[in-house]
Amino acid sequence: QKEVEQDPGPLSVPEGAIVSLNCTYSNSAFQYFMWYRQYSRKGPELLMYTYSSGNKEDGRFTAQVDKSSKYISLFIRDSQPSDSATYLCAMKKYSGGGADGLTFGKGTHLIIQP
Amino acid sequence: NAGVTQTPKFRVLKTGQSMTLLCAQDMNHEYMYWYRQDPGMGLRLIHYSVGEGTTAKGEVPDGYNVSRLKKQNFLLGLESAAPSQTSVYFCASSTGQGSTDTQYFGPGTRLTVL
Repeated sequence: QKEVEQDPGPLSVPEGAIVSLNCTYSNSAFQYFMWYRQYSRKGPELLMYTYSSGNKEDGRFTAQVDKSSKYISLFIRDSQPSDSATYLCAMKKYSGGGADGLTFGKGTHLIIQP
Repeated sequence: NAGVTQTPKFRVLKTGQSMTLLCAQDMNHEYMYWYRQDPGMGLRLIHYSVGEGTTAKGEVPDGYNVSRLKKQNFLLGLESAAPSQTSVYFCASSTGQGSTDTQYFGPGTRLTVL
């Protein structure tokens, strides 16, 4: 079993819909959770960072963490065609950098239809 | 402020040839990382560095060498390229400190080994 599981998609939704992207993980040592957005032929860019169970909101984006279920989600409200990208979940066991780096999911390819 | 830059953007090699990928960052970050990204495999850590003059192995280090002679630069070398090393290579950097330490990625180098 992979440490981090993420459905690769593609996930296609109409403009304006609420999008739900999810990752599950198996190692309870993961404490810090991130979502990266990657446009085609570009490097990943950090979208959301959270380290506690519950919700964190930033504009149209909400990150949710449920450590008891080992499950994280990213919700996008009022989705726009410019949100079309691959979304990567990432997590690490310790604060700061170090030996673990980040463990990434494989990414979900999201398509927002105009 | 360019952030993280990578040279070259594209490269085609023949099996057995060698090459060096250059990563540079202007954010005064201590930590630097090299990842490869393959379809269906996600991002995997090759090597990383926690400071000038230091390097360490990541998840998939075989066939690669790295050097961090200057704080702002992190070099990834392929001594004898193999078709299995065809991939997109990303460099990242971070401060390595604090609970919210995050990695900033470069634009990637697309490498094909024939």
